[in-house]
Amino acid sequence: EVQLVESGGGLVQPGGSLRLSCVVSGFTFSRSTMSWVRQAPGKGLEWVAKMKEDRSDEMYVDSVRGRFTISRDNAKNSLYLQMNSLRAEDTAVYYCVTGGAYNGYFANWGQGTLVTVSS
Amino acid sequence: DIQMTQSPSSLSASVGDRVSITCRASQSVSNSLNWYRQKPGKVPELLINRASSLQSGVPSRFSGSGSGTDFTLTISSLQPEDFATYYCQQSYNVPLTFGQGTRLDIK
Repeated sequence: EVQLVESGGGLVQPGGSLRLSCVVSGFTFSRSTMSWVRQAPGKGLEWVAKMKEDRSDEMYVDSVRGRFTISRDNAKNSLYLQMNSLRAEDTAVYYCVTGGAYNGYFANWGQGTLVTVSS
Repeated sequence: DIQMTQSPSSLSASVGDRVSITCRASQSVSNSLNWYRQKPGKVPELLINRASSLQSGVPSRFSGSGSGTDFTLTISSLQPEDFATYYCQQSYNVPLTFGQGTRLDIK
């Protein structure tokens, strides 16, 4: 059974930082492109970042580029999202998902972790 | 960026109805178009990949069609669990983008 478990969300002040983690099991993580997708309260889905299995092809949506960094540790079956200079508009549930490659799809989703940016 | 526009934004229907949702891309995405269903308070789930391929485990009442810029998700006979929000998503270009969502309510 494929499982993705996120952690690290919480309440942070504007300008602060958080590091999200996602531990996966049930599939070959080291062969999978991975992404983060977020959903602001009551809003739609927004892709945030992706990274290929070999840590190449690191890409971001414009609104987070330069502030967020995606990384992975294939030995630990883990995906990360370092979020710096957080803004109120970054408030959302952040999902760890499999996929993000060209012509690919987001087949498996974690339960999500809520990030709230507020003073 | 490729903009994805879904129509309608919301619709009401009854159990057993046949419904279709349209997704239009601002430029061609070939067949790199996926559909997701998100039940209230739940995680999104993949229904259709690459425009018309039914994801494993998804009921056959769901189907997808289209290529280029115009795509359709059809549900042949609505079930109670289908009252949810549906999203299309293109995987042709970065940034990967979603439609705004179509909310399907019980009439």
